[in-house]
Amino acid sequence: ILNVEQSPQSLHVQEGDSTNFTCSFPSSNFYALHWYRWETAKSPEALFVMTLNGDEKKKGRISATLNTKEGYSYLYIKGSQPEDSATYLCALEDSSYKLIFGSGTRLLVRP
Amino acid sequence: DSGVTQTPKHLITATGQRVTLRCSPRSGDLSVYWYQQSLDQGLQFLIQYYNGEERAKGNILERFSAQQFPDLHSELNLSSLELGDSALYFCASSPREGNPYEQYFGPGTRLTVT
Repeated sequence: ILNVEQSPQSLHVQEGDSTNFTCSFPSSNFYALHWYRWETAKSPEALFVMTLNGDEKKKGRISATLNTKEGYSYLYIKGSQPEDSATYLCALEDSSYKLIFGSGTRLLVRP
Repeated sequence: DSGVTQTPKHLITATGQRVTLRCSPRSGDLSVYWYQQSLDQGLQFLIQYYNGEERAKGNILERFSAQQFPDLHSELNLSSLELGDSALYFCASSPREGNPYEQYFGPGTRLTVT
């Protein structure tokens, strides 16, 4: 059974702090790694889809890196803002197109 | 607004009943995915359809079935409902298969089984 793990489970930071989270996954049958942002009472919103080892993607103050050989991805938020408060989910898509989600990292940014 | 619509928004029904959840993907998207979010579990992938054909199957119970119609909308049928089926059911769509594309999630249907 493939297992995707995210750490930390939750994180409280001050506005302006930079932060990062980890997503660990088994590297066998890797096809893609997805990151989502999920605000309370809303639907998950896609941030990145990454496929290649060494891939780096950026969207505004948020960026992500991927290491498929060792099975991890990092999500970075630079200069956190209160509106960044959300749960950040990663999901492994395997070679049969199944997605396995981690349990998420809950980020709270205090003003 | 992602462009993915789901109906109904809320559904309350009794154990043993059968319900149908409906999803309309974004215009032009060929792939539809169904997910379940229970209180005690994370987001669980149920099933994926691409252009009317089943593409991938996750942790979908035998009591559940889905299909994608020629107009690309999809329905998730849940039968012999149990209390544990109470959950938020999301549908998502993406442009096409072949490459992993970002998925766009609908607002979800909250199912309560009493």
